[in-house]
Amino acid sequence: GAVVSQHPSRVICKSGTSVKIECRSLDFQATTMFWYRQFPKQSLMLMATSNEGSKATYEQGVEKDKFLINHASLTLSTLTVTSAHPEDSSFYICSAETGTGANVLTFGAGSRLTVL
Amino acid sequence: SQKIEQNSEALNIQEGKTATLTCNYTNYSPAYLQWYRQDPGRGPVFLLLIRENEKEKRKERLKVTFDTTLKQSLFHITASQPADSATYLCARGDDSWGKLQFGAGTQVVVTP
Repeated sequence: GAVVSQHPSRVICKSGTSVKIECRSLDFQATTMFWYRQFPKQSLMLMATSNEGSKATYEQGVEKDKFLINHASLTLSTLTVTSAHPEDSSFYICSAETGTGANVLTFGAGSRLTVL
Repeated sequence: SQKIEQNSEALNIQEGKTATLTCNYTNYSPAYLQWYRQDPGRGPVFLLLIRENEKEKRKERLKVTFDTTLKQSLFHITASQPADSATYLCARGDDSWGKLQFGAGTQVVVTP
C-alpha cells in the first residue's frame, strides 16, 4: 500500500533556530500533500496544502512566512519552521491522498518538535 | 461553521466486548465521514469511509453507521482485543478534493 515517510521523527532545537521536516511519498506520486499540527488531546489542525510546483495554500491564521512549505517534486514536500519559539512545539504530521477516492489520506509517522 | 465532535472521555472496555464510539457533526451533512486509528506518537491510519447515502459499512470487526437525521456516525469494534487500544479519529469531508475536518478523537482502552 501507499507509504508516506516523514523525517525526523523527533527534533529538539533552541529558540530562534529553524527546523526542516521532510515528507516523502515512497511508492506513489503526490501532487498534493497536507501538513497538520496536533497538540496533545486535540484534533489534527490543517496548516496548509502543499502543491507540487506551485505555492502552498495556507489555512487561516497560519503564518506562511513562519511555516515555509516547499513541494519541489512529486514525492517530496518540506515544512520549515523558521525562527522557532517554544509555542511552536507540537506534533507535525504530513499526509497525501492515495488516489483511492474521497480524500482518503495516508499519513506520515509525524515529527515531534520541541523548542527550548 | 461546521463542528465535528467526539467523546473526549476515554472508553474502557473489557476484551471481547463491543466498543462503540460516537461522532457528531453540526450543520449540513458531509459528503462522507472517515474513521482513522492513531497510536501514541504516530500518524493516523485510515480504517473506514462511509458516504452520506450509505447507512452502514463493515470491515472485518469494524462497523460504521451514518445517520443523517441524528447527524451522527457510530463506530463499532466487535470482539475487542487489547491490540485495539488506540485513539480513534472521525473526520468529515465536504469536498471532492482535499480538506478533511477531524474530531479530537476518542481513546479506547481494551483490558484483558
